[in-house]
Amino acid sequence: GQQLNQSPQSMFIQEGEDVSMNCTSSSIFNTWLWYKQDPGEGPVLLIALYKAGELTSNGRLTAQFGITRKDSFLNISASIPSDVGIYFCAGQLRGSSNTGKLIFGQGTTLQVKP
Amino acid sequence: NAGVTQTPKFRVLKTGQSMTLLCAQDMNHEYMYWYRQDPGMGLRLIHYSVGEGTTAKGEVPDGYNVSRLKKQNFLLGLESAAPSQTSVYFCASSYYSPREETQYFGPGTRLLVL
Repeated sequence: GQQLNQSPQSMFIQEGEDVSMNCTSSSIFNTWLWYKQDPGEGPVLLIALYKAGELTSNGRLTAQFGITRKDSFLNISASIPSDVGIYFCAGQLRGSSNTGKLIFGQGTTLQVKP
Repeated sequence: NAGVTQTPKFRVLKTGQSMTLLCAQDMNHEYMYWYRQDPGMGLRLIHYSVGEGTTAKGEVPDGYNVSRLKKQNFLLGLESAAPSQTSVYFCASSYYSPREETQYFGPGTRLLVL
């Protein structure tokens, strides 16, 4: 099936450091979404991107929809301990709007050392 | 609003037993989804529904059945559980609308099949 390649798989950083993660695919996406999953919880939406080249911020988080529509990145600035969790990218393939289906990346596990 | 709720939160089954996972949403969403989450695999779509009375297969449908008799409920059934179905199951729902592709997730059901 369709795949999103998300990297890195895991990161262990010091509090205060900036974090960057990305997702790539061989397919074109209409929408890119970034979710965070806290331990024992379901994923929660962080940022949604709808247009190629779009750059959107949510507090210390910034995400961009790649110009080619095949990639997206998420940056977290000045990380804090509560940033710990698994971050997922998700994309909606062109032509999937009538089902709402999303393709999810494998996740990036972030650990922050105080 | 409770959002998306899932019942039960945790279950242990023996191989061959059956069970039904219940998902309920109170946001009047058209679309509902069932995913499974396994380490390093991200979220994989099992089945989904684009409206009451309709269901469709996702990426990994084998061994599962679903029903959407009421708009607010989406049931996932395991007729004969296998150890390979040990996983965390998430239900999600979303609107039927462009630029509303956000899926809202439940808290998950942890299933262990012995």
